[in-house]
Amino acid sequence: DVKVTQSSRYLVKRTGEKVFLECVQDMDHENMFWYRQDPGLGLRLIYFSYDVKMKEKGDIPEGYSVSREKKERFSLILESASTNQTSMYLCASTSRDWTSGANVLTFGAGSRLTVL
Amino acid sequence: AQKVTQAQTEISVVEKEDVTLDCVYETRDTTYYLFWYKQPPSGELVFLIRRNSFDEQNEISGRYSWNFQKSTSSFNFTITASQVVDSAVYFCSYRWGSGNTGKLIFGQGTTLQVKP
Repeated sequence: DVKVTQSSRYLVKRTGEKVFLECVQDMDHENMFWYRQDPGLGLRLIYFSYDVKMKEKGDIPEGYSVSREKKERFSLILESASTNQTSMYLCASTSRDWTSGANVLTFGAGSRLTVL
Repeated sequence: AQKVTQAQTEISVVEKEDVTLDCVYETRDTTYYLFWYKQPPSGELVFLIRRNSFDEQNEISGRYSWNFQKSTSSFNFTITASQVVDSAVYFCSYRWGSGNTGKLIFGQGTTLQVKP
């Protein structure tokens, strides 16, 4: 069964801490994404990567960075966590050429981050 | 700019009732794709259906059916004879056609609660 695995389902961090959210996919997908989900706002794209070491900003990249050193792993980094980054974070991947609008994303189960 | 609106924030029905989830989109593109995803309590979004802008044929899959109408820019989702397992958050999303790296736009999501 193909999967996108997010290593932490629940995290509690303190303001100012550096936070790493890890995502691994076993489908040999080229494209990987980080979304943030908040009530009433749907899913908003933070960053995506279409190849190893490649990244592009999404709608809300401020306060976040990403790392893609290996094809299967895409990490989201909060350099200095703040309370307004308390949210559900969803990782996704897709194999098709991202220039095709038909891409279907495969999602992980999410990481719920609370920043105190 | 493209936009997806799911005006129904929460819907509550009793098991076996039919329920329709509304999705309205705004675009000037001629080629685009529309999607529905389901997010059960486990957190992982699951792909349900994809439609391209040139295919207005409605689709039925078991208890699920989708009505795509370009004239009203709507892509509504109906569950017939709802079941408790249908309880989830449902997202409608949009992406324009091809030859670009544009993002997938999500609606705000509709939380469906099916009571026994």
